[in-house]
Amino acid sequence: ETFMTQSPATLSVSPGERVTLSCRASQSVDKHVAWYQQRLGQPPRVLIYGASKRATGVPARFSGSGSGTDFTLTISSLQSEDSAVYYCQQYIDWWTFGQGTKVEIK
Amino acid sequence: QITLSESGPSLVRPTQTLTLTCSISGFSLSTYQVAVGWIRQPPGKALEWLALIYWNDEEHYSPSLKRRLTITRDASKNQVVLTMRNMDPLDTATYYCGHKGDESYFDYWGQGLLVTVTS
Repeated sequence: ETFMTQSPATLSVSPGERVTLSCRASQSVDKHVAWYQQRLGQPPRVLIYGASKRATGVPARFSGSGSGTDFTLTISSLQSEDSAVYYCQQYIDWWTFGQGTKVEIK
Repeated sequence: QITLSESGPSLVRPTQTLTLTCSISGFSLSTYQVAVGWIRQPPGKALEWLALIYWNDEEHYSPSLKRRLTITRDASKNQVVLTMRNMDPLDTATYYCGHKGDESYFDYWGQGLLVTVTS
């Protein structure tokens, strides 16, 4: 089983700032990583798949990078509506999710 | 457009069997390579994949829960059903069904159903 570890657990950031979220896989998952945004009381919404491909309708301020075991989700300029929990997921070895990073707006 | 919707009981007793139904629209469960999965999320915790079924009835289960789960599909009813046996309070969670996209991530999700296990 492939485990996904996210850091940090929580981030408190001011609007307009750049945000970087990290995700590490316990073994190589190539580029089979997706990032999801989950706002309070809502189902997850896919932002990034294939480690770096933006899903349809996702704002350009969201970008993903990485391959193998280390992955990053970047929000270039944080907006108030970006307050949410962000999960990474690998989908090469069944499907496993990270523990999530909560992004709070200062 | 693709939509999914979960239904089932909101409350179950310990040791009982939970049966959840995912009703789908906007795609067919008989189409080549289509798959629907179940994912759950305990309150305040992370997401956990449970099971997935393909268009050809190929089934896959989380290794940790495999003995307790059965997933089936009924293409004529546009439904995917998950049964989980021997429910425990630790199984209290929001249960989601999701459409597996071409690249194997879940691209569409239902709104979720909160299931509470309590005596």
